[in-house]
Amino acid sequence: DTVLTQSPALAVSPGERVSISCRASEGVNSYMHWYQQKPGQQPKLLIYKASNLASGVPARFSGSGSGTDFTLTIDPVEADDTATYFCQQSWNDPTFGAGTKLELK
Amino acid sequence: EVQLVESGGGLVQPGRSLKLSCAASGFTFSNYGMAWVCQAPTKGLEWVASISTGGGNTYYRDSVKGRFTISRDNAKNTLYLQMDSLRSEDTATYYCARQGGTGSSDYWGQGVMVTVSS
Repeated sequence: DTVLTQSPALAVSPGERVSISCRASEGVNSYMHWYQQKPGQQPKLLIYKASNLASGVPARFSGSGSGTDFTLTIDPVEADDTATYFCQQSWNDPTFGAGTKLELK
Repeated sequence: EVQLVESGGGLVQPGRSLKLSCAASGFTFSNYGMAWVCQAPTKGLEWVASISTGGGNTYYRDSVKGRFTISRDNAKNTLYLQMDSLRSEDTATYYCARQGGTGSSDYWGQGVMVTVSS
């Protein structure tokens, strides 16, 4: 399986810029996607194929990367962005990262 | 509006079976691949199985091969997951998800809980 490694948690202040990283154990081309999940809710697609904004997602969210290293950026962060963010690759059998919990100071 | 509504979850003993359903509406169901993704309590997400638009191609994670069967009825706009020989480690919330063309899941249901315990 392709293992995706994310940092477990981040804390930022509203208005700041935050970057959430995801590293794949092998190259996944650009087939990396990002989801937001709030407590008690289903995941929501934010970014597909590394850098494409999903429908209805604010332009504060952006994605970059290719190969093994990918980044989700939120700029500026708002209070409503408190959530866990997961990366997922679909180049091989789909796998997800363990998630990065974003907290606001 | 795209809607995916799962049903069929519950408490089941180890070794028994359960069948999940996912009713789709708001889009042309037969045009999209579909998938099941699970999330154990306080854990991350795990892909379980996927199915092509016509149902002819199915894919499974290794831990469920031979025990779970994904299927669909395009006339009824419904996705299924037949879960046999259930184990305690199958305990999770199961989400139905619509597949975008790139392998992302662009819409998710609210999830249904499956608890495997004696």
